[in-house]
Amino acid sequence: NAGVTQTPKFQVLKTGQSMTLQCAQDMNHNSMYWYRQDPGMGLRLIYYSASEGTTDKGEVPNGYNVSRLNKREFSLRLESAAPSQTSVYFCASSPTSGGSQPQHFGDGTRLSIL
Amino acid sequence: AQRVTQPEKLLSVFKGAPVELKCNYSYSGSPELFWYVQYSRQRLQLLLRHISRESIKGFTADLNKGETSFHLKKPFAQEEDSAMYYCALSGAGSNYKLTFGKGTLLTVNP
Repeated sequence: NAGVTQTPKFQVLKTGQSMTLQCAQDMNHNSMYWYRQDPGMGLRLIYYSASEGTTDKGEVPNGYNVSRLNKREFSLRLESAAPSQTSVYFCASSPTSGGSQPQHFGDGTRLSIL
Repeated sequence: AQRVTQPEKLLSVFKGAPVELKCNYSYSGSPELFWYVQYSRQRLQLLLRHISRESIKGFTADLNKGETSFHLKKPFAQEEDSAMYYCALSGAGSNYKLTFGKGTLLTVNP
């Protein structure tokens, strides 16, 4: 049972480089999310997709773009990476975007920007 | 606005001691509350949610609307409970947004 799969697991970038983080889920979930996890800050929502074909900004969207490629896949793109974007990125999914739906998380992508 | 506060960044207890991880929230409507746990080198996973009113791995959490709290408790801590714990809140109904607290790192010493 793969659940939510994120690639890559680790990445080092130079300032100004671009990168796309990939996320796929095999649970037929409608809703998908991207978070960043920073020490002392908890998890903060970057973008989410309530259903296929829709995306919306979360708490910290600046510097990121997303694409809901199909129901399974939701990618996060950094167009011009900055050191402040060094973080661990988590993708999650849930059956719907209803408040009572628990979210299922991937293993995370550890991203360092030099 | 919805907010979750976990006042303790770090909590250290001895094996067999009771443990309580505090969580307070701010939300104007009826909240849905969750505890997520992240063990070392593992993905974040749901531990329990208040609507289930269940005990998972010996942990329980009761929603206290008067005190706006959802503290996580376990009467006898085990070493394998050592992990990062996050309290999270979502609005009931169509509000998707899951707001996390900053987390409490629990260490259970032998």
